[in-house]
Order: sequence, then structure tokens, then C-alpha cells
Amino acid sequence: DGGITQSPKYLFRKEGQNVTLSCEQNLNHDAMYWYRQDPGQGLRLIYYSQIVNDFQKGDIAEGYSVSREKKESFPLTVTSAQKNPTAFYLCASHSRGGGYTFGSGTRLTVV
Amino acid sequence: AQKVTQAQTEISVVEKEDVTLDCVYETRDTTYYLFWYKQPPSGELVFLIRRNSFDEQNEISGRYSWNFQKSTSSFNFTITASQVVDSAVYFCALSEAQRNNDMRFGAGTRLTVKP
Repeated sequence: DGGITQSPKYLFRKEGQNVTLSCEQNLNHDAMYWYRQDPGQGLRLIYYSQIVNDFQKGDIAEGYSVSREKKESFPLTVTSAQKNPTAFYLCASHSRGGGYTFGSGTRLTVV
Repeated sequence: AQKVTQAQTEISVVEKEDVTLDCVYETRDTTYYLFWYKQPPSGELVFLIRRNSFDEQNEISGRYSWNFQKSTSSFNFTITASQVVDSAVYFCALSEAQRNNDMRFGAGTRLTVKP
């Protein structure tokens, strides 16, 4: 079945560490997105990519980085510059004229 | 500026009651899409509906119905005869063609249906 796979489901990071969240899709979608969700809040856009080798900052890109070397993959790195990284991270993909598909999320906790 | 406003933070109803979740959006784009998603406790977002800006026809799907009114920039969602399994956080979202179709979400409404 086609879909989006996010891994890991749970991730623990020490202060000052960089961590990378994986997002893979087999839907042949051109566009991919990363959202952050804090408890009791909506989703905020971190980064998005409309095509391979191109990506744009969303509303809260500071402290994050992404790459889009393959159509299927859009990994998100949470850097040490992100001062409050504990949150739920959702990846999504979208085809032009079609709907959005979301992954099951990664819950990141700083320990 | 807030693009999508869901003024109801939390709603609690008793099973079998009808409930309406409000969504007001803001856009200058003439081509846009509106969405509703359900987020159960597991965290995954479940797609419910997508409506484009040129289609104001209301839609009914089982116990769910949606009322899209461009005149008031609203896209409200009604659950008829609510059930305990409807308990979740519901998000309204807006996607604008001029913004490369990236989606902007409202803050969500937490619906609790009590038996």
C-alpha cells in the first residue's frame, strides 16, 4: 500500500545534539512538508519542498534543516540551535490536484 | 495574520447529540482548498474532506456534513448523532494556490463525546 513512513516513532535527544527524523513516501508525490505540533496546539509548517533539490522555509524554520535529494525522501534535522525541540513532528506529501497524506508522526523529547 | 480560526478550543457533548465545529478562514487568493482532519489520541491525522474554492455545494457523508459559505469565509463541520468514537481533535486547514499550496492549520477543536 502507498503511504508515508516516518521513523522513529519516539526519539530522545540530549541537549546539544542534532537528530534526524526520517520521512519516506512511495506515493510518487512531488511536494513534501514537515509540521510541528505542540501540546494543545495546531500544526505549524517548518519546511516544505515542491520538487527534488529544492525546499523552502515555512513559518518556524529556525533551528531546523532539510534535504531533498530523492523524490521519496525528505529528512528533517533538528539542530542544537533549536532551543525547544520537544514536540510531535508530522510529515506530509501532496500531489498537484490531489489530497495530502500524513505520516504517523515522530514524538521527539529532549532529555 | 491568522489564516484559519477555530474559535472553539474544546467541546463536550453527550452521545447522540449533534455538534458543529466552526472554522473561519482568511485569504486573498481566489483559488484555494479547505480541509478537515481528525486527530485521534494516536496522533495520526485522518483526512475527512477537501473542498475547493469554486465548489460551495454542501456535502454529507454519513453522519458528517460540511457547510461551506464563501460570503462568511466559513467552513463548518457538523457531526450528527455523535458517538464516543468521534472523540478527537479536529483541525480545519487552508491551502492557497499562491502559496504553493502549503497547508495552514487552525489551532484545532478538541471534541469529547461522553456516553
